[in-house]
Amino acid sequence: QVQLVESGGGVVQTGGSLRLSCAASGFTFSRYALHWVRQAPGKGLEWVAIISYDGGSKYFAASVRGRFTISRDNFKNKVFLQMNSLRAEDTAVYYCAREGHYGAYAGAFDFWGLGTVVTVSS
Amino acid sequence: QSALTQPPSASGSPGQSVTISCTGTSSDVGGYDYVSWYQQHPGKAPKLMIYEVTKRASGFPDRFSGSKSGNTASLTVSGLQADDEADYYCSSYAGSTWIFGGGTKLTVL
Repeated sequence: QVQLVESGGGVVQTGGSLRLSCAASGFTFSRYALHWVRQAPGKGLEWVAIISYDGGSKYFAASVRGRFTISRDNFKNKVFLQMNSLRAEDTAVYYCAREGHYGAYAGAFDFWGLGTVVTVSS
Repeated sequence: QSALTQPPSASGSPGQSVTISCTGTSSDVGGYDYVSWYQQHPGKAPKLMIYEVTKRASGFPDRFSGSKSGNTASLTVSGLQADDEADYYCSSYAGSTWIFGGGTKLTVL
């Protein structure tokens, strides 16, 4: 079955960096785009970033552009989110989510991980 | 890019129907048929319910339906059940990026 398992969260000081990982299994990883979505405590979902199936296309929310980068390793079935210059408002649960494709949940996030918690404190 | 607009709360009694709206712009909801809806119970990850505006994801019965008119998408939950009490989020493709609504807390009275 499809599984996405995030790791790498923790407590970091303002201005610091963290690298999140998402390990995937149960599907052909190299055929799917992957996203990061976050949820601040008590708040709604916020889309963060996408990386295409082959890593050739990457897009970011305006709130993280220039500070976060996304990458993937299609041999190890992992996607990464490198977060730099962290701010208090980056505090959230970070979810890894698979995007469906044409003919099967196109444009939607059909599987989600359980999330990893990032806390940015001063 | 601001979040899509959803009512913060909605409610209904068991067996009743409730509709949750999701308003965007011509650059997101109105411009693409890639609107999806997610159900999130407390402490859990979101689950895909509706995709491509009207299509139901596996595991969700036909009590859940989606629609769109112009820049506003809607989720209707019919025959409300206790387990439907959760947070609901809409999402739309916005041309290389995605955007979520602020979320609606559905209470089953």
